[in-house]
Amino acid sequence: ETGVTQTPRHLVMGMTNKKSLKCEQHLGHNAMYWYKQSAKKPLELMFVYNFKEQTENNSVPSRFSPECPNSSHLFLHLHTLQPEDSALYLCASSQAGGGDTQYFGPGTRLTVL
Amino acid sequence: KQEVTQIPAALSVPEGENLVLNCSFTDSAIYNLQWFRQDPGKGLTSLLLIQSSQREQTSGRLNASLDKSSGRSTLYIAASQPGDSATYLCAVLPQNTGFQKLVFGTGTRLLVSP
Repeated sequence: ETGVTQTPRHLVMGMTNKKSLKCEQHLGHNAMYWYKQSAKKPLELMFVYNFKEQTENNSVPSRFSPECPNSSHLFLHLHTLQPEDSALYLCASSQAGGGDTQYFGPGTRLTVL
Repeated sequence: KQEVTQIPAALSVPEGENLVLNCSFTDSAIYNLQWFRQDPGKGLTSLLLIQSSQREQTSGRLNASLDKSSGRSTLYIAASQPGDSATYLCAVLPQNTGFQKLVFGTGTRLLVSP
């Protein structure tokens, strides 16, 4: 596979469930990102990882827990979410150091019941 | 705080028309500006990236301009085709936020009818 892949593509979960989103990049990049895209709102940066280290947490609630075991994989662990967390969650990657184009995955459409 | 606005929110044109999408940003201290395309249910595809020192970039039928001092960018699409139908997003990379925190607009949803 090439580019940035995300699984699952769709997820429906209850407020008490625990689930994880997975992102994998095959571009040799060393920076990875999680974004949230809600209806009628701009894309919102959640987390940034550079060389597996978290360098940005954009005031995200603790019910979202990211994990970056290596430069190619990024997870977003979800627990006790709220209905307002329903959104499209996008993963992206780029070369670290800033300024380079970010390459996006297709996203996971999350619905919280 | 940097804010990005895109006008119009939606646009419907017949095939073959030339069109312009607008993007404005509140703080001119940017490193670069990018235009992305997003198809329904899919991720973003980078179309054009303009560095702060540049005035425009071209790729095929697409031309993006940047006027940093006035906080504006335009994306010009020539001879539009139904395959151009998508949401177009503008994003700026502010200079003072570590060069990785893109700030996005809400997009322009374009429909090109045959």
